[in-house]
Amino acid sequence: AQKVTQAQTEISVVEKEDVTLDCVYETRDTTYYLFWYKQPPSGELVFLIRRNSFDEQNEISGRYSWNFQKSTSSFNFTITASQVVDSAVYFCALSEAKTTSGTYKYIFGTGTRLKVLA
Amino acid sequence: ETGVTQTPRHLVMGMTNKKSLKCEQHLGHNAMYWYKQSAKKPLELMFVYSLEERVENNSVPSRFSPECPNSSHLFLHLHTLQPEDSALYLCASSHTRTSGLNEQFFGPGTRLTVL
Repeated sequence: AQKVTQAQTEISVVEKEDVTLDCVYETRDTTYYLFWYKQPPSGELVFLIRRNSFDEQNEISGRYSWNFQKSTSSFNFTITASQVVDSAVYFCALSEAKTTSGTYKYIFGTGTRLKVLA
Repeated sequence: ETGVTQTPRHLVMGMTNKKSLKCEQHLGHNAMYWYKQSAKKPLELMFVYSLEERVENNSVPSRFSPECPNSSHLFLHLHTLQPEDSALYLCASSHTRTSGLNEQFFGPGTRLTVL
């Protein structure tokens, strides 16, 4: 069965600190996709990154970086020099590659609430 | 307008009311999704439409009835709901496998309260 675990329910950091959000997944598929979404207080989930299972290169985008390790089934997300605007709930998701309908079914983690204090 | 829009943003209804949630996407996608987000629970996929055809129904009670008249619009018709149905209802859209990348784009959600 597919599963996404975000063990950290809530994290609080002081502005300018670095913070890492953990994501561990389970799947039997060899081809799959991993995602991170941000949900600010407004409610809308904002897409941050997509990774496919064949691409283990780490990625950096500004203050955001992602570490994908198939050996440990983890896809962790680090925010460097956190800012108050980073306060949100962050969701990790896994997408099946095999669907007969051509659509993508996401399995979401329970989310990690990040609070960045000024 | 751009992206995915949802109306209304907030809805309070009694258990005997009938109401509808509306979702509209302006991204040229051909798949649309309804999710339910309750406190302290993972997002729950409710329905999936691909090319206006329902392709998935995740054991959702019949008091929730989806409708997808075209690839840009998705409705969720509600009737005789229960208080435990109070949640944030999120709509999303994406390309289908053959037509593009697979990330889903979400609307801002409708915050539903059932009294």
